[in-house]
Amino acid sequence: EVQLVESGGGLVQPGGSLRLSCGAYGFSFRDHYMDWVRQAPGKGLEWVGRITNKAARYTTNYAASVKGRFTISRDDSKNLLFLQMNSLYVEDTAVYYCARDTALGPDYWGQGTRVIVSS
Amino acid sequence: QSVLTQPPSASGTPGQRVTISCSGSKSNIGTHLVYWYQQLPGTAPKLLIDGNNQRPSGVPDRFSASKSDTSASLAISGLRSEDEANYHCAAWDDSLGGRVFGGGTKLTVL
Repeated sequence: EVQLVESGGGLVQPGGSLRLSCGAYGFSFRDHYMDWVRQAPGKGLEWVGRITNKAARYTTNYAASVKGRFTISRDDSKNLLFLQMNSLYVEDTAVYYCARDTALGPDYWGQGTRVIVSS
Repeated sequence: QSVLTQPPSASGTPGQRVTISCSGSKSNIGTHLVYWYQQLPGTAPKLLIDGNNQRPSGVPDRFSASKSDTSASLAISGLRSEDEANYHCAAWDDSLGGRVFGGGTKLTVL
């Protein structure tokens, strides 16, 4: 069974940093591109970024709103996906989801981890 | 302001057919596959219709999707109370170099 489990969320002050993790289970993690998507309270879904697989050279793409502040990485040996978030703004407050990407769109999503940026 | 435009709300009575639209542009829906997600209150999004307009295992055939030019739509027939949820469309966007989502449509079953 495919499972994605996010962790690392919490309360952080504006300007601070946080690192989210996403554990992948039940599929060949190394073969898949992986996304991060967030959802601010009461709002719609917002794509954060994506990392490709080794065959595609671990290429990363980011939304304009996080480019230069957030970094996506992965450890295929441990089936882990990461989101390093620096220089956090209040507007980054959201539930952050990792999702498995496929040729037909992201299919499996984790349960999400909540990030609150507040002083 | 979302790149893909969805109506913020939709409603119907049990048994009815409802459609939810998703409007984009050439750089996203006009070029790439569109997929749909259902998000029940307090839960993570779940893939409802993939980019080939196919339903993953377990999704009832009451749900269907279509695409034409730069717009897409999700249809739900035989509406049931458990269909009350938020529905999101998404696609890749060449101009932005990333994935874009609609703002989501909250479906109410009256």
